[in-house]
Amino acid sequence: GAVVSQHPSRVICKSGTSVKIECRSLDFQATTMFWYRQFPKKSLMLMATSNEGSKATYEQGVEKDKFLINHASLTLSTLTVTSAHPEDSSFYICSASTSGLAKNIQYFGAGTRLSVL
Amino acid sequence: GQQVMQIPQYQHVQEGEDFTTYCNSSTTLSNIQWYKQRPGGHPVFLIQLVKSGEVKKQKRLTFQFGEAKKNSSLHITATQTTDVGTYFCAGRGNNDMRFGAGTRLTVKP
Repeated sequence: GAVVSQHPSRVICKSGTSVKIECRSLDFQATTMFWYRQFPKKSLMLMATSNEGSKATYEQGVEKDKFLINHASLTLSTLTVTSAHPEDSSFYICSASTSGLAKNIQYFGAGTRLSVL
Repeated sequence: GQQVMQIPQYQHVQEGEDFTTYCNSSTTLSNIQWYKQRPGGHPVFLIQLVKSGEVKKQKRLTFQFGEAKKNSSLHITATQTTDVGTYFCAGRGNNDMRFGAGTRLTVKP
């Protein structure tokens, strides 16, 4: 099946620093990538959707200047949490989908647990 | 906007018992997907339903899409300990996909 690699799996940072999370599709071209935030024992909250080469579409309530998303190629998208604060601590998961017969199916990365001190 | 409700939030069963989770949308869906997330893991795609009234089976799992394409269910027959995890539905409306809150299944051996 399609594989999505997310890195790093865990990051601890000081308040005020920026953190970059990478999401790569290893064996397929991801025309669309999604970024989610998941709180403990809760559902997935969609933060933004990005199409390769286009600006990301952010969900209501998600600050685009705080969560910078770049989808520069068909295999890589990055999420940068700028000036992180303790309330940004969470589990961030990316997913990727492709076109064609498997369109709409999302393949998830393993997630990144961010802890802001 | 489109909302997807999923019930129950939690379900604890004895191994061998059946389990069902339900998903309801406030609007008509073009398709619905089901994902499973094991404890400590990430969501994994299970199936996609597209047609009105569609029923699909995967071994002990039966998935249904309602006639009005606004609801769906996942039924597990004779649960096993390996079925433990959170099951999410995800419905696609006009332009976006929304996840249900998930149903966390625990199975007592």
